Amino acid sequence: DAGVIQSPRHEVTEMGQEVTLRCKLISGHNSLFWYRQTMMRGLELLIYFNNNVPIDDSGMPEDRFSAKMPNASFSTLKIQPSEPRDSAVYFCASSLRGVLGYTFGSGTRLTVV
Amino acid sequence: TQLLEQSPQFLSIQEGENLTVYCNSSSVFSSLQWYRQEPGEGPVLLVTVVTGGEVKKLKRLTFQFGDARKDSSLHITAAQPGDTGLYLCAGLISNSGYALNFGKGTSLLVTP
Repeated sequence: DAGVIQSPRHEVTEMGQEVTLRCKLISGHNSLFWYRQTMMRGLELLIYFNNNVPIDDSGMPEDRFSAKMPNASFSTLKIQPSEPRDSAVYFCASSLRGVLGYTFGSGTRLTVV
Repeated sequence: TQLLEQSPQFLSIQEGENLTVYCNSSSVFSSLQWYRQEPGEGPVLLVTVVTGGEVKKLKRLTFQFGDARKDSSLHITAAQPGDTGLYLCAGLISNSGYALNFGKGTSLLVTP
């Protein structure tokens, strides 16, 4: 298995532009988590899905952020419009029933200038 | 407010030394996990502890879950440069779904 695959690895965009981050889960995993990592705040949970259904999106900063899981193996995180304070590394992780540990992707480093 | 507090925040030691890092909370966790993260990569799971007082060993790494399931420690014996990385603890609270709460981590540097 290729593991959790995120794309792009790096994204540099101008303030106000739309950004879409992509994540492919490990086959057979049924939980999907989006986290954001910064030096100041560490890893923060943005949203998570279980069996394609959003369970908790209380960590999504504001309406500019949205996430979808159109099928069991793929998810997107969209920021529209992007702002410089959104600059961070965004990780997705998948698991089987959550309690067995997460498998993380390599992350997307987003820079908004 | 951080649910899990990790200490120390940074640690720089020489190869061969022993070290302990800590993960503390006022909350009770149904399980606690430790991850190691290397630069430019996502965290990688090292261990999961479930039972209060549980001790698990992974080669030179020893993990302990507190009796009250509120805290944990990671002890590394005879550290090697390959142990360098960010060590993250993450806890799962009962009845809160499957989302892990992460500490900010301990950044470890082991020099030859």
